Amino acid sequence: QSVLTQPPSVSAAPGQKVTISCSGSSSNIGNNYVSWYQQLPGTAPKLLIYDNNKRPSGIPDRFSGSKSGTSATLGITGLQTGDEADYYCVTWDDSVSAGVFGGGTKLAVL
Amino acid sequence: EVQLVESGGGLVQPGGSLRLSCAASGFTFSNYWMTWVRRAPGKGLEWVANIKEDGSEKYYVDSVKGRFTISRDNAKNSLYLQMNSLRAEDTAVYYCARALYNSGAYWGQGTLVTVSS
Repeated sequence: QSVLTQPPSVSAAPGQKVTISCSGSSSNIGNNYVSWYQQLPGTAPKLLIYDNNKRPSGIPDRFSGSKSGTSATLGITGLQTGDEADYYCVTWDDSVSAGVFGGGTKLAVL
Repeated sequence: EVQLVESGGGLVQPGGSLRLSCAASGFTFSNYWMTWVRRAPGKGLEWVANIKEDGSEKYYVDSVKGRFTISRDNAKNSLYLQMNSLRAEDTAVYYCARALYNSGAYWGQGTLVTVSS
């Protein structure tokens, strides 16, 4: 049971848009920045979003992040088959003094 | 080129110990917080432990407290995870990561730890 709650799976057609939610509490998302990672099968995770809504260099603007209160959202537009992966939110939790990941969301591009 | 290379994984019996290492190159290792993250088979990513740039602060997930110890040697550009009293549920790919939460994030390719009799 993860401290941060994500939907187990989402799906959409190529070219469409999808959002992935990450719900937490005041001790984690509510008081800290959220980052988002993409993990393709058999590879190390890749940072997509940091500080709630910033993209590292090289990450296309199809990927966006937002935060409101104790929830965060990752948006992906113009879906491509290469976007099929597991997506994770992560932040710090002040109440346990540890990092916390969401349970992960598997994206299917049908 | 930034590189993080984990080593030390393998098969160990329940109750046994392993020491993971992460060799860093291509950046100033002593300038970064470092983190261990794991992914068990069929499960999601789990944050395990992190350590401040100078080693003065260390934090652990509850499930490994008292069993795992994170450490670093800035002179050797290396991060370590000493794992004792290993359990079946510790079976996972273990990744070391630099600057987990910001634009400087970088991960190694991971090392597999299997705890089984």
